[in-house]
Amino acid sequence: QKEVEQDPGPLSVPEGAIVSLNCTYSNSAFQYFMWYRQYSRKGPELLMYTYSSGNKEDGRFTAQVDKSSKYISLFIRDSQPSDSATYLCAMSARGSGGSYIPTFGRGTSLIVHP
Amino acid sequence: KAGVTQTPRYLIKTRGQQVTLSCSPISGHRSVSWYQQTPGQGLQFLFEYFSETQRNKGNFPGRFSGRQFSNSRSEMNVSTLELGDSALYLCASSTALQGGNYGYTFGSGTRLTVV
Repeated sequence: QKEVEQDPGPLSVPEGAIVSLNCTYSNSAFQYFMWYRQYSRKGPELLMYTYSSGNKEDGRFTAQVDKSSKYISLFIRDSQPSDSATYLCAMSARGSGGSYIPTFGRGTSLIVHP
Repeated sequence: KAGVTQTPRYLIKTRGQQVTLSCSPISGHRSVSWYQQTPGQGLQFLFEYFSETQRNKGNFPGRFSGRQFSNSRSEMNVSTLELGDSALYLCASSTALQGGNYGYTFGSGTRLTVV
């Protein structure tokens, strides 16, 4: 079992829908939780990060972390065709070298059709 | 403000050869990490450098190595290339002293194809 599990999709939704993306994890040492968006032929782009449990909102995006369930979510409101991309969750714990090294999910492919 | 720059963007090598990939982080970023991305395994951590020192290393064979220069620029080297090394190699930098806890800025990657 991988440390971070993420459904690869694809997830296809109509424009304007609310999108829910999720990840589960097994390592209770994870403290920082992040979501990245990756367009084709590009590197991942950081959308949001959260420390420990709770919610964080940024425009149309809301990230939720439930450490008791080892479950994180990203919600996208009023989805747009430009949101079509692969969304990767990532979470980090302190490594042996003292710094935080993110472990990534495999990504969920999202398609928003007009 | 320039982003993370990786060169070259595309590379085709023959099995058994070696390759060197280059990364210039965002100015002021001292932490540089490398990841391998494949469709089957996703993003896998290779190593992290900070102030010219390797702080963390992932579970890759010794054929994968890296270094960081005094200006924070980094290189990774893969020797004795295998077909399975074909992947997108991503470099990421961070301003955080603790590395990737607040997230990275990634480059666009080097697409390596081994034939």
